[in-house]
Amino acid sequence: NAGVTQTPKFRILKIGQSMTLQCTQDMNHNYMYWYRQDPGMGLKLIYYSVGAGITDKGEVPNGYNVSRSTTEDFPLRLELAAPSQTSVYFCASSYSARESNQPQHFGDGTRLSIL
Amino acid sequence: GDSVTQMEGPVTLSEEAFLTINCTYTATGYPSLFWYVQYPGEGLQLLLKATKADDKGSNKGFEATYRKETTSFHLEKGSVQVSDSAVYFCALSTNTGNQFYFGTGTSLTVIP
Repeated sequence: NAGVTQTPKFRILKIGQSMTLQCTQDMNHNYMYWYRQDPGMGLKLIYYSVGAGITDKGEVPNGYNVSRSTTEDFPLRLELAAPSQTSVYFCASSYSARESNQPQHFGDGTRLSIL
Repeated sequence: GDSVTQMEGPVTLSEEAFLTINCTYTATGYPSLFWYVQYPGEGLQLLLKATKADDKGSNKGFEATYRKETTSFHLEKGSVQVSDSAVYFCALSTNTGNQFYFGTGTSLTVIP
């Protein structure tokens, strides 16, 4: 009953370092999303994917890259970490955004600090 | 465009008080509406949903009714408990897009 699994749970990076946040889901969902949540704020969409090989930008894509080579995995890449990218990152998946009755399922988040 | 406007917090209530968190929406197409809850240090969990006008979603004593005439989906609970302390997000999806749209979240603290 894994659902959406994110790794790592916590990470501290130095400015300029790079890293990949991993996200995998075992529900055979077509749609996957990456959000960031700054302290006391709502969710901002970074990137999303409607299926393997297809990705699209959300509201705040700058400084990030994604790929979707399989249905299960949707990694988020930070190439040159900046303090402004300190945040909590959530991955989510859904069967479809267009089908009613299909909510998103969220991972537990990755708490990232850049110093 | 599609959007959700949610009552700003934080909200502080005494245990057993009545809760209302307001949510209104703007949407093209036919939206489905959701309430999510986020407990401290955790991800968002679906609390309840409604997929068409006049539907009432309910779960764990919380209720929300999909009101098309007022484009609203207000969250209510008759008697809150300390364990209900969390952040609540209203959200929508439509049958014409690929995204979900979230409100800014309302922080609820229930004091004994």
